[in-house]
This record gives sequence, C-alpha cells and structure tokens, in this order.
Amino acid sequence: DVVMTQSPLSLPVTLGQPASISCRSSQSLVYSDGNTYLNWFQQRPGQSPRRLIYKVSNRDSGVPDRFSGSGSGTDFTLKISRVEAEDVGVYYCMQGTHWPHTFGGGTKVEIK
Amino acid sequence: QITLKESGPTLVKPTQTLTLTCTFSGFSLSTSGVGVGWIRQPPGKALEWLALIYWNDDKRYSPSLKSRLTITKDTSKNQVVLTMTNMDPVDTATYYCAHSGTISQYSNWGQGTLVTVSS
Repeated sequence: DVVMTQSPLSLPVTLGQPASISCRSSQSLVYSDGNTYLNWFQQRPGQSPRRLIYKVSNRDSGVPDRFSGSGSGTDFTLKISRVEAEDVGVYYCMQGTHWPHTFGGGTKVEIK
Repeated sequence: QITLKESGPTLVKPTQTLTLTCTFSGFSLSTSGVGVGWIRQPPGKALEWLALIYWNDDKRYSPSLKSRLTITKDTSKNQVVLTMTNMDPVDTATYYCAHSGTISQYSNWGQGTLVTVSS
C-alpha cells in the first residue's frame, strides 16, 4: 500500500496567519493518464469530511481561495493563506492513484 | 445536487455480519465513470478506505479487509451495500459512503453512521 505521511500532527495557528501542511507519499502519485490523484479533505469537528482540493491543486466549488494545493510526484502541500476560525478541524491528504486508495494520518489545525 | 446517506444497525455483536446501505441521489451508478466508495473512521482516529464499486461493476477492496468485505450495487434503487463479516470491537467506527468517479474522487460524502461492536 502507498503510505501517506502528513506533518505536522498538530498545527496551532494565530488567526489571520498562514498555515502549511505537508503530505508525502511512499511512491509517485503520477498515474498512467498523466494526472496526479492527490486530494485534500477538511473535517470540522462533528462533521463529515469535505473535499477541498483535487488533483493536487484544483479547488472545489465553494472553497475559499485562501486554500491552495501544490506539489508533484511524492511531495505535496496544502496552504491556508490567512487562517480563519472556521478553518479549525483535521485535514487529510488522500491518494487515489494506486489501489488501495489511502489517507494520511491527519493534521489538526487549531487556533492559538 | 448530490446527496448520500448511510443506514444500518448502530450496534452489532462480535462475530456478526454488518450490512450497511448507502442510498444516494443526484447521480446514477449506470453512468460511465461513476463510483461509490466506503470509508470508515474509528472514534478519534484517522480515515480508512474500505472499498469502492464502479458503474461497470468493477470492485476494489482494502487488501487487509478483503476477505471480510463485499460491495454490491442496485442501480434501480440508487443504492450501494457493504457487508463486513466477523465483526470485532476494533471495527467500531463511523462508516461513510462517498461519490467517487474515475476522474473526480470522493467529491461528496454522506453524514456517516456510527457502528458499535459490543456484546
């Protein structure tokens, strides 16, 4: 299985400050069709996961533009340009290139 | 608008078989490229991918759970069913289903259903 390693585990952030979450895969996530199936999900307390970013850097409809995804191959990053109170929760990366699909262990974003 | 909702027992005994149903609307599992997946989350822990079924009946399973899982679809009812045999207390989790196509993966999720395994 492809192992997805996220860091940090916990990320205390001051409101209005930027935040960055790293996700590394144990194998390249480039698929044979040329796409890289790396997704980011947000899970607010008590809620279902919500997809924020798909194929590395494509923001889902309704996702604020303060969220951005980048990276390639095995190294990916989710950035929040200015953290707001509603961004509190756990963030997961997930690869959909190789079977089985696998999730990272999650990064908990909290306000300082 | 795509919606999904999981249903099934909230409590099962060890060794029993769990049957969960995902009922969805806003898309059809007879459309090329469309799939429905199952993911679970033990209390306070990370998400774990379980299984996925595509419009063409292609089925994928987590290797570690493959011997215990079966995923099926009923296109006419807009439902996907996941069965998990030989349930154990470590299988206590919230179980989610999600819409997932070959191009757009896990774009929409259900509210989840908490299943507790206890005697």
